[in-house]
Amino acid sequence: NAGVMQNPRHLVRRRGQEARLRCSPMKGHSHVYWYRQLPEEGLKFMVYLQKENIIDESGMPKERFSAEFPKEGPSILRIQQVVRGDSAAYFCASSPRTGEGSPLHFGNGTRLTVT
Amino acid sequence: DQQVKQNSPSLSVQEGRISILNCDYTNSMFDYFLWYKKYPAEGPTFLISISSIKDKNEDGRFTVFLNKSAKHLSLHIVPSQPGDSAVYFCAARAGGSQGNLIFGKGTKLSVKP
Repeated sequence: NAGVMQNPRHLVRRRGQEARLRCSPMKGHSHVYWYRQLPEEGLKFMVYLQKENIIDESGMPKERFSAEFPKEGPSILRIQQVVRGDSAAYFCASSPRTGEGSPLHFGNGTRLTVT
Repeated sequence: DQQVKQNSPSLSVQEGRISILNCDYTNSMFDYFLWYKKYPAEGPTFLISISSIKDKNEDGRFTVFLNKSAKHLSLHIVPSQPGDSAVYFCAARAGGSQGNLIFGKGTKLSVKP
């Protein structure tokens, strides 16, 4: 998992604040995915990005959540005006391409706690 | 609507015996299946995968079996070791999709010495 770097590992925010989660994909990987895991649940797909493009955001809540993957720098998942229900582990994954033979490689996640 | 189901939340096995983890799916468009292992406070680690054109794939102690007609796959670990104790997630990808995976809720495997 060391290849995909996520920071911070733990993030505490009060209700109404903004949360910014960062993800640097593995070297050579241009596809980035964000997943959310609630307690006792599996991982839920949120958004898939390539450099400067959002390819699929079908899993993203319509309000308060946004993601970007700029030409330079890490991918950012941004949550505005956080609520307690946003408390979860957020995992980023990357792959060099899509299709068979391209499993996603995950980072160690950011654990967001909203107080 | 859960498209990938792991109906056993937990499984306990003796060291040296076989562990069998099961997964069912409902979407016939899935054509690529994967198993991930996850330790606490870490991200999921890719374990093994199988394409829908195959019915078996083996890698060391790990074998994945796919039964397309039953929409069922299983992961066999033999012999099981205490270090295998983790949560195992089954995941699937739909053919022609953008690449994102659909995950089951996981099965917690405990291998007892």
